[in-house]
Amino acid sequence: QVQLVQSGAEVKKPGASVKVSCKASGYTFRNYGISWVRQAPGQGLEWMGWINAYNGNTNYPQKLRGRVTMTTDTSTSTAYMEVRSLRSDDTALYYCARDREDCSGGNCYSAYYYGMDVWGQGTTVTVSS
Amino acid sequence: QSALTQPASVSGSPGQSITISCTGATSDVGGYKYVTWYQQHPGKAPKLMIYDVSNRPSGVPDRFSGSKSGNTASLTISGLQAEDEAHYYCSSYTSSTALYVFGTGTKVTVL
Repeated sequence: QVQLVQSGAEVKKPGASVKVSCKASGYTFRNYGISWVRQAPGQGLEWMGWINAYNGNTNYPQKLRGRVTMTTDTSTSTAYMEVRSLRSDDTALYYCARDREDCSGGNCYSAYYYGMDVWGQGTTVTVSS
Repeated sequence: QSALTQPASVSGSPGQSITISCTGATSDVGGYKYVTWYQQHPGKAPKLMIYDVSNRPSGVPDRFSGSKSGNTASLTISGLQAEDEAHYYCSSYTSSTALYVFGTGTKVTVL
């Protein structure tokens, strides 16, 4: 079945970096984009960016540009997200999600604004001194 | 870029209908068809319920419907069931530098 399996929980000190992985299975990895979404404890959802698994193109919200990098390894169908210069307010549950494919225009394309139809189980990142 | 505005909570009895609003601006909800709704049960990952304002993915019950008027999108749950008790988040493409924004979230309680 289609699924995304994320790496385990991380505990980091302020100023450090963290890299979370997201392994896809059950579908053709390169045909879809991957978005990353985080959720601070007791809070709502925050979109962190998107990567096109076919060509590696990325889009990041301005708030996170320069501090977040998303990559993929198509040989292992794995997406990665690295966050640098961690702060206490980066403490959150981080999700990867597959971006829905839209074929209504004849050609099929997957993008973050089409909706996220498959989600990973989440990875807890705790930033604490 | 601020989050889209949703009511903090909405409640209803089994069998009733409820509507959750999601208010944005012309730069997001009002200007594009890319409004999405997600359901999140406690301790679980979000689930896609509605995409492109009013389309349901396969497997989502037709009790769930979406619409939009101006800068406000809405999710309606008809025939409310106990398993619908969850948090619901809207989201939208935005032309701002945020690129994509979620709503503040609404807790739905089935009385």
